[in-house]
Amino acid sequence: SSELTQDPAVSVALGQTVRITCQGDSLRSYYASWYQQKPGQAPVLVIYGKNNRPSGIPDRFSGSSSGNTASLTITGAQAEDEADYYCNSRDSSGNPDVVFGGGTKLTVL
Amino acid sequence: QVQLVQSGAEVKKPGASVKVSCKASGYTFTGYYMHWVRQAPGQGLEWMGWINPNSGGTNYAQKFQGRVTMTRDTSISTAYMELSRLRSDDTAVYYCARDVGIVPAAMYGWFDPWGQGTLVTVSS
Repeated sequence: SSELTQDPAVSVALGQTVRITCQGDSLRSYYASWYQQKPGQAPVLVIYGKNNRPSGIPDRFSGSSSGNTASLTITGAQAEDEADYYCNSRDSSGNPDVVFGGGTKLTVL
Repeated sequence: QVQLVQSGAEVKKPGASVKVSCKASGYTFTGYYMHWVRQAPGQGLEWMGWINPNSGGTNYAQKFQGRVTMTRDTSISTAYMELSRLRSDDTAVYYCARDVGIVPAAMYGWFDPWGQGTLVTVSS
C-alpha cells in the first residue's frame, strides 16, 4: 500500500504563515484532504480536493498540490490553530483503500 | 445537521470481540460511504476500512482482514464495526467518519463529519 510522509513537528509565530506538507506517490493520482485534531477531540476536515474548505473553516486555511506533494497553508496563524494536522488520500496501489500521513504537530509561538 | 453518534467506551479482555455502533442523522444514510479509523494513545490515525451502506459491500485494510467486520442496519441508520481476537495493542479510540463521496459513484477518502470516538481498552 501507499505511504504518506509528514514532518512530525512545525512551529510558526503568531500571525505568520506556515506550510505543512505531505508527500507520497498516491498524491500524483489523488487529491489529499487535511484534518485538524485538538487534544481529546475528533479530527475535523479543513481542506479537501483541489482546495475546498468545508463550511465554517476560516479562509486562512488553503491547500495546494504539486507532483507527489500536497500542502496545507495557514496564512496568519492564530493561537487556536495549534493542533495536530493529518493528511490522507486514496491509495494508488489499485485497491480502494485510504492512507493517512503520520501527522504534524503545529505549535503557534 | 449531519451528525454521527457513537456508542460508549468499552473494556475488553484479550481474545474477546468488541462491536462499536455509529448512528447517523441529518442525511440519507445509504447515500454515502462510511469509514472506520482508529487512533492508539498518543499515535496517529489509522484507516481500517469502509462500508457501502446501500449495498452492504465492504473493503478492509489488509492489516485487519480476518478480524474486522463492518455491517449496517439501514432501518435505524446505524453502522457497526466489530473487531475480534482483541489484543492489548488494539487499545485505541475508534472513529466512524462519513465519506464526502456519494455511493456508488465515488469514494474519495475525504471524511466529514466524524463521530465523537469510542475508546476501546483491551486489558486482562
